Amino acid sequence: SAVISQKPSRDICQRGTSLTIQCQVDSQVTMMFWYRQQPGQSLTLIATANQGSEATYESGFVIDKFPISRPNLTFSTLTVSNMSPEDSSIYLCSVVRGRRNNEQFFGPGTRLTVL
Amino acid sequence: AQSVTQLDSQVPVFEEAPVELRCNYSSSVSVYLFWYVQYPNQGLQLLLKYLSGSTLVKGINGFEAEFNKSQTSFHLRKPSVHISDTAEYFCAVSRPNAGGTSYGKLTFGQGTILTVHP
Repeated sequence: SAVISQKPSRDICQRGTSLTIQCQVDSQVTMMFWYRQQPGQSLTLIATANQGSEATYESGFVIDKFPISRPNLTFSTLTVSNMSPEDSSIYLCSVVRGRRNNEQFFGPGTRLTVL
Repeated sequence: AQSVTQLDSQVPVFEEAPVELRCNYSSSVSVYLFWYVQYPNQGLQLLLKYLSGSTLVKGINGFEAEFNKSQTSFHLRKPSVHISDTAEYFCAVSRPNAGGTSYGKLTFGQGTILTVHP
C-alpha cells in the first residue's frame, strides 16, 4: 500500500485567512486527488492534481478558492483561500498508484475548523 | 453522472450477528463499485471492489459484497461481526475511462455507521 501523510492533521483558522495543506506520498503515484468531507456529509471530489500543469476542478470548485500544486510525483498541496465557516471540513488527499489495478489510497485527512 | 445512496445512516448490531449494509447506485453507464471503511480517527481503507467478473466479491476482514446489475445494488455483508468492525462504511462508484481503468474519481454515498454492541 501507499503511505500518505498530510500536514497539518488539524487546524483552527480565522475567517478570511488561508491554509495550505500538504500531501506527501512515500512512492511515485500516477494520480493525486483532493477530496472534502463536510460535517455529517459524504466525501466530494474537489480536483485532480496534475503534475506540472493546472489542476482539473470538479463542478462547484474553482482555482481561486482552492489553488492546487503538484510539483512532482509524490507531493501536492491544496490551499483553502479566504476561508469562511462553511469551509470547515476534513480535506483528504487520495492517490492512484497504477493504471491497471485501480489501487487507490487515502490520506488520514486534515480536519479544518474555521471560526 | 452517477449517484450513490446508502439506505441506512446507522446500523446497530450485536456482536456475532450478521450484518448487511445497503448500497444502491444510479448511472447511465457501467461503473466500478467500492466499499471503504473509516475507523474512528483513521483514514479510509478499501474493503473490496468490483471491477468485472464474478458478481460476488470478497474483501478483507471477512466482508463480501454482491453486485446486482438489475437492481443496481452493491450490498455489503458479513456473517458474524466483531466489536472491532465498529466504523463508518462508505459505498462508492467510479466510471471507467476508455482504457478500462479507474482514475480515482469516486462518487461516495453518505456513509453508514455500523455500531457493534457486546
